[in-house]
Amino acid sequence: AQKVTQAQTEISVVEKEDVTLDCVYETRDTTYYLFWYKQPPSGELVFLIRRNSFDEQNEISGRYSWNFQKSTSSFNFTITASQVVDSAVYFCSSSQGGSEKLVFGKGTKLTVNP
Amino acid sequence: KAGVTQTPRYLIKTRGQQVTLSCSPISGHRSVSWYQQTPGQGLQFLFEYFSETQRNKGNFPGRFSGRQFSNSRSEMNVSTLELGDSALYLCASSYWGREGEKLFFGSGTQLSVL
Repeated sequence: AQKVTQAQTEISVVEKEDVTLDCVYETRDTTYYLFWYKQPPSGELVFLIRRNSFDEQNEISGRYSWNFQKSTSSFNFTITASQVVDSAVYFCSSSQGGSEKLVFGKGTKLTVNP
Repeated sequence: KAGVTQTPRYLIKTRGQQVTLSCSPISGHRSVSWYQQTPGQGLQFLFEYFSETQRNKGNFPGRFSGRQFSNSRSEMNVSTLELGDSALYLCASSYWGREGEKLFFGSGTQLSVL
């Protein structure tokens, strides 16, 4: 069975600080996908990124970057120069290849203070 | 394109009643999945439908059921409501695009059971 662990329950930073959200996953599948979602107070889960198990390339999208390391089963998410609008709960999740059944971590609540 | 639409946004029911939640996927999406979100258990997969067929099911009792119509709209039903069913119910629709599968979530239905 798949499992996703987000050890950080809450993080509080001051605007413009960099912050890294940790995600560790467990799976026995050779083909799997990893995701990050953002949940603002409105409740909707906003898709941020999807990675498949064969692509360990790190990715940067604006102030967001992701570090995927199979050797440590980690898929960490870094926000550079954080902004107040980044305040939300962030979820890491995984799925088996070809399945829409996502297994989510418990989420990390990020608060960015002005 | 309109996003995933869930109705109603809020619902209050009493124990023993039943409830039906509705989800309209993004136009062109044929797959719909449902998730339950509670403070204690986090986000948990309920079921997934594709072309009116249930393709995957999570570990929930038989009181939770769903269906999908020919226009891809989906409903989920919970019978004999219990206090523990109070949760945010999220629906997601998906397609297989150039970057692979992406799930797009609605804002959810907040169900309170009194």
